[in-house]
Amino acid sequence: QVHLVQSGTEVKKPGASVKVSCKASGYTFTNYGINWVRQAPGHGLECVGWINTYNNKTNYTQNLQGRVTMTTDTSTNTVYMEMRSLRSDDTAVYYCARHNHDSSSWDYWGQGTLVTVS
Amino acid sequence: QSVLTQPPSVSGAPGQRVTISCTGTSSNIGAGYDVNWYQQLPGTAPKLLIFGNSNRPSGVPDRFSGSKSGTSASLAITGLQAEDEAEYYCQSYDSSLSAWVFGGGTKVTV
Repeated sequence: QVHLVQSGTEVKKPGASVKVSCKASGYTFTNYGINWVRQAPGHGLECVGWINTYNNKTNYTQNLQGRVTMTTDTSTNTVYMEMRSLRSDDTAVYYCARHNHDSSSWDYWGQGTLVTVS
Repeated sequence: QSVLTQPPSVSGAPGQRVTISCTGTSSNIGAGYDVNWYQQLPGTAPKLLIFGNSNRPSGVPDRFSGSKSGTSASLAITGLQAEDEAEYYCQSYDSSLSAWVFGGGTKVTV
């Protein structure tokens, strides 16, 4: 069965960086891309970006360009999302989600990682 | 402001039918891109509910159905149950932004 397991809660000061991991299992890792989305407290879902786990091609949300980097480690089937120069409005739960190209949908999600910037 | 527009909330009594609208533009839903729906129960991650406008993943009850027409889509829940209380989000792809976009979410109260 497919699982995406994310790293734990982070508390960071403004201006610091954070790196959140998303470890995949139960499927061929490089056959599916990984999306990242965030949800600020009491708010909706905001896309952060996407990484192709086969060729490491990335696509970041325009307003986060320059502050976010996504990488993969195929030896451990893990995707990383690093965000730099953190601000208080980056406080959110960050989710990874598998991109199913056949159905053009995000079919499996991680449990979420709370990042607090304070 | 979300690119896709949803009503903030809808409510219904147990057993009733409710619908949630999702309105887009000619660069997303109206351009022919499919609409997906996600259910987020309180304190949990979103879960895929409907993909490709009207298809249910395995395990999703047939009380949930989706449709799309023009620049809008809808999610219907029939035979509303207490366990359906959740936030529901629509999603599509936007060609002018070259990005996936979500609606602002609709809180369903039973």
